[in-house]
Amino acid sequence: AQKVTQAQTEISVVEKEDVTLDCVYETRDTTYYLFWYKQPPSGELVFLIRRNSFDEQNEISGRYSWNFQKSTSSFNFTITASQVVDSAVYFCALSALRDDKIIFGKGTRLHILP
Amino acid sequence: GAVVSQHPSWVICKSGTSVKIECRSLDFQATTMFWYRQFPKQSLMLMATSNEGSKATYEQGVEKDKFLINHASLTLSTLTVTSAHPEDSSFYICSARTPTRAQTQYFGPGTRLLVL
Repeated sequence: AQKVTQAQTEISVVEKEDVTLDCVYETRDTTYYLFWYKQPPSGELVFLIRRNSFDEQNEISGRYSWNFQKSTSSFNFTITASQVVDSAVYFCALSALRDDKIIFGKGTRLHILP
Repeated sequence: GAVVSQHPSWVICKSGTSVKIECRSLDFQATTMFWYRQFPKQSLMLMATSNEGSKATYEQGVEKDKFLINHASLTLSTLTVTSAHPEDSSFYICSARTPTRAQTQYFGPGTRLLVL
């Protein structure tokens, strides 16, 4: 069975602080994909990143960075120098190569306080 | 990038009526579309997978007779909530997969349904 756990239900930080959102996953598949999505109050899902299970390189995109560690089944997301516009719900998700189903974590609600 | 639209963006209806939600891939052909439901402050839950020209595959616990899915063309899938009740009030999101980029789903903006 596949499962995605985001243990942090809600986080509040002051603007300009760094914040890390945790994601731990479970799967028996050897080939799979991991995702992060942002859902602002409007509701529309914003794709942030997709990483396949064979690529453990960390990735940086502007203020965003991702740390994929297969040994601990984690795919954590860090926002550096947070901004109020980063306030949203962030979902970590998992998909196996054998099917297209995306399994979402429960999400972490991030509040960036001015 | 690939664009997926949904119509309507929100709908309010009386209990007992049926509501149809459309999901369109605007600039690509989607062989597979997915329907998700999201209750307030909860995660997205996959309801069903629809493939063009064939019957949809429903996830466990989703009533196929209540949530009718039709994927009649490569750019359009519809979800009909039949005899809607207040507990069906939710945020419905569709996504579409391109045949050329597996494991990449493009999400629509969602449809908010409120059943009175």
